[in-house]
Amino acid sequence: GAVVSQHPSRVICKSGTSVKIECRSLDFQATTMFWYRQFPKQSLMLMATSNEGSKATYEQGVEKDKFLINHASLTLSTLTVTSAHPEDSSFYICSARGQGFNTEAFFGQGTRLTVV
Amino acid sequence: GESVGLHLPTLSVQEGDNSIINCAYSNSASDYFIWYKQESGKGPQFIIDIRSNMDKRQGQRVTVLLNKTVKHLSLQIAATQPGDSAVYFCAERDRGNGGSQGNLIFGKGTKLSVKP
Repeated sequence: GAVVSQHPSRVICKSGTSVKIECRSLDFQATTMFWYRQFPKQSLMLMATSNEGSKATYEQGVEKDKFLINHASLTLSTLTVTSAHPEDSSFYICSARGQGFNTEAFFGQGTRLTVV
Repeated sequence: GESVGLHLPTLSVQEGDNSIINCAYSNSASDYFIWYKQESGKGPQFIIDIRSNMDKRQGQRVTVLLNKTVKHLSLQIAATQPGDSAVYFCAERDRGNGGSQGNLIFGKGTKLSVKP
């Protein structure tokens, strides 16, 4: 299958700072990217959906000013957690999909964010 | 809608036995279902998928069964191996909002533990 690379895999940051997570599709053009958050022993919860060149669509309860998503190219989307707090500590996972509704979505390796 | 649990159900099986993991999905309009395997600290890995016009699909050592009447999905793993130990999630494709985004809604997940 296609490859989606997520970076970094782990990051520790101080409370109040911002952290940027990158999601790259390495061998296909990702028209749509999805960002998920997963707390320990829980399922993946969709945070937002972004289409290349458009503003992201955020799920209910997700603060768009806190979780900034940029999808400026067909191979890169970034999620920036601004003014991070300990409760933002979680596992963040991106997923990328090519052109077409029926196209399979591929997942990145995930990023473990710890805010201290 | 999405479901979140405080803990994951666990299925413990003996190596070589068959495993059956069950999932109840929420939206009768969902047309596409996927099973994912997630190992600790990693992103979800695609196992097998099925469309709503089918009730069974087989892969290598895995079979997915779909019962639309009761909105139930199951994953059968034949001759379970220690390497199958992971958390398994079912996902349904959300056709809400006109189906334009096609994002996935994940189930709660089941932890499969294989005893050697």
